[in-house]
Amino acid sequence: GESVGLHLPTLSVQEGDNSIINCAYSNSASDYFIWYKQESGKGPQFIIDIRSNMDKRQGQRVTVLLNKTVKHLSLQIAATQPGDSAVYFCAESRGDYKLSFGAGTTVTVRA
Amino acid sequence: DAGITQSPRHKVTETGTPVTLRCHQTENHRYMYWYRQDPGHGLRLIHYSYGVKDTDKGEVSDGYSVSRSKTEDFLLTLESATSSQTSVYFCAISEEGSLEKLFFGSGTQLSVL
Repeated sequence: GESVGLHLPTLSVQEGDNSIINCAYSNSASDYFIWYKQESGKGPQFIIDIRSNMDKRQGQRVTVLLNKTVKHLSLQIAATQPGDSAVYFCAESRGDYKLSFGAGTTVTVRA
Repeated sequence: DAGITQSPRHKVTETGTPVTLRCHQTENHRYMYWYRQDPGHGLRLIHYSYGVKDTDKGEVSDGYSVSRSKTEDFLLTLESATSSQTSVYFCAISEEGSLEKLFFGSGTQLSVL
């Protein structure tokens, strides 16, 4: 089975609210995690990454949190906007350069 | 999409026919990848290349072959297409020192009837 998964396949968020997208992984050897965003009809796009020696990393309106104790990864989007509507994938690297992707969470922003 | 062009963008073919998908990059990146995307499975690696004529299998390589005769081009071939190969295919590239940070093309929607 897949070692990287997302807790919920869909998430509906009110515009302006914060979004939290969760991801669980099972491989303790994974040392690098990435979040990708995929808009309709396009390829995935890199959002933010985090190494296993970190607990938190912030970008522009996004924050990734890593909890190695429970093997949990989350992506927080502040002040969600209509342009944030997309499918979000977490991915893990197990020490080589081949990523393993989760199934994705579809985020819909309500006006 | 980061100087990556996939062709064709859409293709419908019949079971048993050969199909070749092309990925062309203008970034001069050494690493290139082919993924397929299916509902409920996320993206799965088919094959990858770490240089001209250097390729290796990914997790779902059965039924697929690849070739890389030039840095800029990475071809994916389905020797005899099956309905289970109906999918969206994405090419991706990455550079030395940041191999896991992939840049994806816009994808090819392939339907095998």
